[in-house]
Amino acid sequence: GAVVSQHPSRVICKSGTSVKIECRSLDFQATTMFWYRQFPKQSLMLMATSNEGSKATYEQGVEKDKFLINHASLTLSTLTVTSAHPEDSSFYICSARATPQGKGPQHFGDGTRLSIL
Amino acid sequence: AQTVTQSQPEMSVQEAETVTLSCTYDTSESDYYLFWYKQPPSRQMILVIRQEAYKQQNATENRFSVNFQKAAKSFSLKISDSQLGDAAMYFCAYRNYGGSQGNLIFGKGTKLSVKP
Repeated sequence: GAVVSQHPSRVICKSGTSVKIECRSLDFQATTMFWYRQFPKQSLMLMATSNEGSKATYEQGVEKDKFLINHASLTLSTLTVTSAHPEDSSFYICSARATPQGKGPQHFGDGTRLSIL
Repeated sequence: AQTVTQSQPEMSVQEAETVTLSCTYDTSESDYYLFWYKQPPSRQMILVIRQEAYKQQNATENRFSVNFQKAAKSFSLKISDSQLGDAAMYFCAYRNYGGSQGNLIFGKGTKLSVKP
């Protein structure tokens, strides 16, 4: 089946650091990728949707300048948490879809646990 | 806007028994997908089962089956012959059919415990 690789799986860093998380589709071209955030014991909340070659669409309340998303190729999207603070600590999950018209299944990465000290 | 509601924060089942997890949703669309995802302690999201709204027949995947009631906007998951490995968070999710975005909308989840 389709595989989505998310890296790193765990990050621990100091406050003020910028952290980049990569999401790669290994065996298919992902026209659309989604970034979710999950707080402990809560559901996944969509942060943004990125389409290859265009700007990401952010959900209401998500700071564009804080969470930079780049979908530079059909197999890679990156989420950069800029100047991270303890409140940014969370579990971040990406998912990717191959077909452009919203009909294909979404494939999830294994997630990144971000801890800001 | 579409919403997904899971009214059972936690459920418990005895090994080998059957358990049903509830999910209701709200949408004005006629065509859409519904999903159940499993998230074990490893946090990986695993697709358990999916249902296309235009299909009247309930989806089935081995021990997992759904009861899809379109008019009632209900989409429950039945797990038969529960196993210890079924213990996890279960999320019900909705997605519009077609369109350029089609992101998943998740319920708050149900934590399932399986007792040996």
